[in-house]
Amino acid sequence: NAGVMQNPRHLVRRRGQEARLRCSPMKGHSHVYWYRQLPEEGLKFMVYLQKENIIDESGMPKERFSAEFPKEGPSILRIQQVVRGDSAAYFCASSLTGTGDSPLHFGNGTRLTVT
Amino acid sequence: AQSVAQPEDQVNVAEGNPLTVKCTYSVSGNPYLFWYVQYPNRGLQFLLKYITGDNLVKGSYGFEAEFNKSQTSFHLKKPSALVSDSALYFCAVRDMGYQKVTFGIGTKLQVIP
Repeated sequence: NAGVMQNPRHLVRRRGQEARLRCSPMKGHSHVYWYRQLPEEGLKFMVYLQKENIIDESGMPKERFSAEFPKEGPSILRIQQVVRGDSAAYFCASSLTGTGDSPLHFGNGTRLTVT
Repeated sequence: AQSVAQPEDQVNVAEGNPLTVKCTYSVSGNPYLFWYVQYPNRGLQFLLKYITGDNLVKGSYGFEAEFNKSQTSFHLKKPSALVSDSALYFCAVRDMGYQKVTFGIGTKLQVIP
């Protein structure tokens, strides 16, 4: 039973390029969350999506960042015109339901390095 | 708003000794509480959760956590630490009826042989 799959595991982009991070949730899960992890800052919530809908994007920067979870295919976190400060580990998690007692299941992350 | 505090950046414990990793939380309603562990270059793994009922919750790998409503705490414990328990531990909270899960900053546990 495959877990949450994220790719690529490592991504290097030059300043100004675009980064696309992909996440396939666990089978049967229709709730996806994206988090960013920086050393000394812990795990910061970015966005919560259900199939075809953004439910909560309160943690997403207003510019350059977007996320989608189409009816078919993986969830995508897109960062346009990357800057050095975007370098971080980005984690995707999925859950069976969006309610309180459903734990999140995490992928192994995508480590983005902006040069 | 909901928040989680993990007051210790790092906890050191000798192998075989009991360990405690502290967590306090703040929510406006009733909390759902979680502990996760992260090994280097990996994602977070779910350890245990508190929903309701018994204040002592048992989870994976011999870990347990104690919910204390009056102190708004949910400390992670293990009676006898193993070197393989060395990792980064995250406490998380979700307010009932709220969908976002908020994580603490993490506590690095170092078990010394």
